[in-house]
Amino acid sequence: GQQVQQSPASLVLQEGENAELQCNFSSTATRLQWFYQHPGGRLVSLFYNPSGTKHTGRLTSTTVTNERRSSLHISSSQTTDSGTYFCAIQGKLIFGQGTKLSIKP
Amino acid sequence: DMKVTQMPRYLIKRMGENVLLECGQDMSHETMYWYRQDPGLGLQLIYISYDVDSNSEGDIPKGYRVSRKKREHFSLILDSAKTNQTSVYFCASSLSEGIAETLYFGSGTRLTVL
Repeated sequence: GQQVQQSPASLVLQEGENAELQCNFSSTATRLQWFYQHPGGRLVSLFYNPSGTKHTGRLTSTTVTNERRSSLHISSSQTTDSGTYFCAIQGKLIFGQGTKLSIKP
Repeated sequence: DMKVTQMPRYLIKRMGENVLLECGQDMSHETMYWYRQDPGLGLQLIYISYDVDSNSEGDIPKGYRVSRKKREHFSLILDSAKTNQTSVYFCASSLSEGIAETLYFGSGTRLTVL
């Protein structure tokens, strides 16, 4: 079946540093989304990005479909960026295990 | 205001008891989902519903059943709960199951089965 691998599993940065999160998947993803889970548990959608590059604020998602990978770049990180980031693929959304990001002041 | 509402937020049950988790959405979304989240495992799809009485198993349906009698409500039922069903359960909805549809998640229900 489909596999989704995220790396790193956890990442600790100082405020202001940039973060790079990776998502690799086992076959061509016809639907790839990035989600953010608040420390309190609430999940929100960040990007739908099956191919190419998308930006919103300090976040950039780049998906290279034929290389079966996607990345999420957070520039000038802030403490409020702390939480867990998930990528998910396909119609029923198979989730990766997530990257737990901690931004220290 | 677009919202997915889950009830209850916290629930403690004894093994063998029946459990009902409720989910509602106010967006007239066709598709609704139930996921469970366990530490280190991300979210796993239990069931997906494409509309009223149109439900499909996800990746881990064993031990669960669902009910969708109205488009805005989707229930998850555990008949005779087991301790390994202790988890956080998330409901989600999307306009359809189209590939570009954003999922909206509820706040989750933390279920503990003793």
